[in-house]
This record gives sequence, C-alpha cells and structure tokens, in this order.
Amino acid sequence: ETGVTQSPTHLIKTRGQQVTLRCSSQSGHNTVSWYQQALGQGPQFIFQYYREEENGRGNFPPRFSGLQFPNYSSELNVNALELDDSALYLCASSLAEGGVDNEQFFGPGTRLTVL
Amino acid sequence: KNQVEQSPQSLIILEGKNCTLQCNYTVSPFSNLRWYKQDTGRGPVSLTIMTFSENTKSNGRYTATLDADTKQSSLHITASQLSDSASYICVVSAGSGGSYIPTFGRGTSLIVHP
Repeated sequence: ETGVTQSPTHLIKTRGQQVTLRCSSQSGHNTVSWYQQALGQGPQFIFQYYREEENGRGNFPPRFSGLQFPNYSSELNVNALELDDSALYLCASSLAEGGVDNEQFFGPGTRLTVL
Repeated sequence: KNQVEQSPQSLIILEGKNCTLQCNYTVSPFSNLRWYKQDTGRGPVSLTIMTFSENTKSNGRYTATLDADTKQSSLHITASQLSDSASYICVVSAGSGGSYIPTFGRGTSLIVHP
C-alpha cells in the first residue's frame, strides 16, 4: 500500500452539480497528478501540480480545475457535471527534484457516478 | 498527437505459463516508459521504468524491454501466478526540464487460470 489517500471512496452526483475530490500525497512528495479512468480504459492525464502551481495539463475542459495546498495535498474540482464524467479518478504523488521525472505512487481512486 | 497502443487487448493463460505483452508508442520528446499493474478497482502500481538509454529492466518475474528506435516495448511475465491476473498498462512520458506529460495505453487485461 502506498501512502497516497483519496476521499471519498465513492460518490454519486446528478448532472449539472459540482464535485470536489481530495488527495493526500505520500509524505515527502511535492507533486500531485490527477487522472480520469473510464471503465475499460487507461487513465487519462488531467493535470499536475508542483509546489502549488499547475505544471502541465491534459486535454480536459476548464470546468476541471484543481488546487494544491502548502502541505502538498490536492483537490480536483469538476463543475457542471456531465454523464461522461462518470469514472474512477486517480491521484498520484511523486517527488520532483532536479527536473527528473520520478516514480508516481497512486492512490486507490474515487469512483464518481453521475446520474 | 502522442499515442500509446497496447496489444493484445486481453489474454488468458494457464498458471505457470509465460506471456509477453506489447506496447507501441509515438511520444515526443520521449522521457521514459513505465509498465504498471492495476488490480480491478485499485490504483496502478509501478513495475518497471526505463529511460532512453535502457533496453531491459527486470523486477522479479517481470522483465521489460525497450527499443527506442522502433518505439516498441514489451513486458514478459515468467511462470505466471493467479495473482498476476490484472490489467497491465504501458505509460510513456513526454517532456523535459521538470514538466512531463504521461500518455497511458488502454492496458492489456491478463487472466491467469489454475
């Protein structure tokens, strides 16, 4: 088991609502990445935060936004939920230093269902 | 557009047998290639990571190869066990200097039967 935790484990929302997912990174890590994984698909990169700044973004609309806090925990916010947002949302933390892409450790994920 | 293609999509083998999973990619600029194991409903767990200069990396019964010229990688599993049943995902990162964008394959679903 990694030290990355996510909450909640499961969540059910209705179309048009807003949702906030949370992630606590592994101790000592300064980078958090978020991924969306639809059923039967590989994870899709949403964005990455390094030292509280967005450090890369995948092909997701602006209604997907995030935050990283001084303790390096992170939130993923999704506004105006759509049915296609139903997925497993994964958070991964890593220690970025010297410009090196280090190993990411994944949390267990949050299963979001949009009705 | 960066892409990672994996084959086969699914695979069924008997316990104790070996198998090889394939990954082809078009990612630029290439930083590294990782293989992950993902159990159903869980987060992926890293098996191997290879940079441009590495062409093979082992982790127990898992051996990954990388051919940077043909942009191909494989994951070989030796003496499979029931616990190897999972999805195996190839991930290729593009970027440099502190900003890296990973592209995930769709995964190969492996089922090991007794």
